[in-house]
Amino acid sequence: EVQLVESGGGLVQPGGSLRLSCTASGFTFSDYYMDWVRQTPGKGLEWVGRSTNKADSYTTDYAASVKGRFTISRGDSQNSVYLQMSSLKTEDTAVYYCARVYYDFWSGPRHMDVWGKGTTVTVSS
Amino acid sequence: ETVLTQPPGTLSLAPGERATLSCRASQSVSAGYLAWYQQKPGQAPRLLIYGASNRATGIPDRFSGSGSGTDFTLTISRLEPEDFAVYYCQQYFTSPWTFGQGTKVEIK
Repeated sequence: EVQLVESGGGLVQPGGSLRLSCTASGFTFSDYYMDWVRQTPGKGLEWVGRSTNKADSYTTDYAASVKGRFTISRGDSQNSVYLQMSSLKTEDTAVYYCARVYYDFWSGPRHMDVWGKGTTVTVSS
Repeated sequence: ETVLTQPPGTLSLAPGERATLSCRASQSVSAGYLAWYQQKPGQAPRLLIYGASNRATGIPDRFSGSGSGTDFTLTISRLEPEDFAVYYCQQYFTSPWTFGQGTKVEIK
């Protein structure tokens, strides 16, 4: 069964840091790009960032709202992708999902076809 | 950034009725790089439609997608009890990848 499981969420103070993990199973993790998406009641679903795969040099891309504060990395041997969050703000409070990006040989990265159940991050003093 | 608008925010329909959901983009989403997701309370989004009109694996054929350019539609031909949920469109043509604010389909 194809599965993604996020972990690492919790309560953190403004200005603090937190590292989220997403562990994959049931597919060849190293072949895929991976995204992080967050959801808040007020702003809905927001794409946070992406890691490409080894073939594309593990390049990363981020939403403007988190660029310079969040870093995505991955460990293919652990079938995991990570989201390191620093300088956290109250507006970063959300459920964070990791998602697998479907890759089409001819047209490249496409939609997010598999999602984890999410982990909750609360930034509050 | 491509802004996706999903009017109306809520659709009130009865089981068995047809649901037509709209997604409008602020700029062209070329080659149908648009997906639809379903989300139920406490669950992650689930992929329904990709490439504007292709059903994902395991999605019933009562779900269909259409559209191009800036106007896209998700149609549920006959609502089943399990279809009452929130539906989001998402474009993956231009970074940053963006989502609509969602349309809630509720039981009338």
